[in-house]
Amino acid sequence: QKEVEQDPGPLSVPEGAIVSLNCTYSNSAFQYFMWYRQYSRKGPELLMYTYSSGNKEDGRFTAQVDKSSKYISLFIRDSQPSDSATYLCAMSANTGFQKLVFGTGTRLLVSP
Amino acid sequence: GAVVSQHPSRVICKSGTSVKIECRSLDFQATTMFWYRQFPKQSLMLMATSNEGSKATYEQGVEKDKFLINHASLTLSTLTVTSAHPEDSSFYICSARDSANYSPLHFGNGTRLTVT
Repeated sequence: QKEVEQDPGPLSVPEGAIVSLNCTYSNSAFQYFMWYRQYSRKGPELLMYTYSSGNKEDGRFTAQVDKSSKYISLFIRDSQPSDSATYLCAMSANTGFQKLVFGTGTRLLVSP
Repeated sequence: GAVVSQHPSRVICKSGTSVKIECRSLDFQATTMFWYRQFPKQSLMLMATSNEGSKATYEQGVEKDKFLINHASLTLSTLTVTSAHPEDSSFYICSARDSANYSPLHFGNGTRLTVT
């Protein structure tokens, strides 16, 4: 069993839709949770990060962490074609954000 | 925001040759940098942790003699793939964290290595 599970998709939605991306994990020691966006042939770009359980909002993006269920989510409101990319969740157990464990990524396609 | 520059973006080399990849933090100092490898449709896998002024720490299963890491300054780490073989073909990505701030990692744009 992988430490972090993420549906690879692709997830196809029309422009303007609300997108829900999710990851589950098995290591209860994870405390820091991140979402990265990766365009083709590019490095991951940090979107959001949260500590422990709770919600965090930044513009059209909302990150949720439910440690009791070992489940994290990223919501994208009013999705745009430019949001089409692969979204990676990542987690860390220590304070240095080191030794990140990544999901495989979910490919999102937003059609005009 | 924090910028990590990685060079080259793409390299093609013949089997048996060595390839050096550079990773630079452009607007911050990084005592620690990280090297990842990503195969198609797979997640990023940490290869090694690069520490400024000391030896790198390699993850289990990563050959330290094959993947040489040098972190000579607070803004530069290099990864040298020695005697490359076709199975080393992959996407190599470096990352760094601002030593002065408590913040998550920022990644370079990666290097696509193709060994023929």
